[in-house]
Amino acid sequence: DGGITQSPKYLFRKEGQNVTLSCEQNLNHDAMYWYRQDPGQGLRLIYYSQIVNDFQKGDIAEGYSVSREKKESFPLTVTSAQKNPTAFYLCASSIVLAGGNEQFFGPGTRLTVL
Amino acid sequence: AQTVTQSQPEMSVQEAETVTLSCTYDTSENNYYLFWYKQPPSRQMILVIRQEAYKQQNATENRFSVNFQKAAKSFSLKISDSQLGDTAMYFCAFMMDNAGNMLTFGGGTRLMVKP
Repeated sequence: DGGITQSPKYLFRKEGQNVTLSCEQNLNHDAMYWYRQDPGQGLRLIYYSQIVNDFQKGDIAEGYSVSREKKESFPLTVTSAQKNPTAFYLCASSIVLAGGNEQFFGPGTRLTVL
Repeated sequence: AQTVTQSQPEMSVQEAETVTLSCTYDTSENNYYLFWYKQPPSRQMILVIRQEAYKQQNATENRFSVNFQKAAKSFSLKISDSQLGDTAMYFCAFMMDNAGNMLTFGGGTRLMVKP
């Protein structure tokens, strides 16, 4: 089945450590996105990529980094520079033809800093 | 920058009743798209309904319909015949035309459907 997978589902990190969240899609979508969701709040855009080997910062990119070496994959690294990384992280993808295209979401990763 | 506001943090409705969730947005653009996404307890985001700003006709999807008022910058979601499975967080989202399909989300409304 086509879809988006994120791993792991739950992730625990000690302060000062970098950690990488995985996002893979087999929908053949060109665009991929990373969002952060805090309890009781909406989604905020961290990074997005519309084509392989290119990506742009979203609204809250500080303390995060990404890569887009393959069309199917868009991993997110949460660095030690991110002051409050405990949150729910959602990955999404979409086509980029014209506008108004639906974003499809993965199941999310819950990151907790111990 | 665009902003999306959902003024109702929590709502509840009896099963089989109708409920309306509010959403307002601020933009200077004329062409754009509006979405309602549902996030059930599983936390999987699911598209509920989509509206194109240049279409005056309100979008409908089975029990879900919208009231799109472009001049008022309002985009409310009506759920008819509410079901227990409609219990979820509902997010209103805005997308500019020709802007990389990026979404700006509201803060969400938590809807509880009571038996």
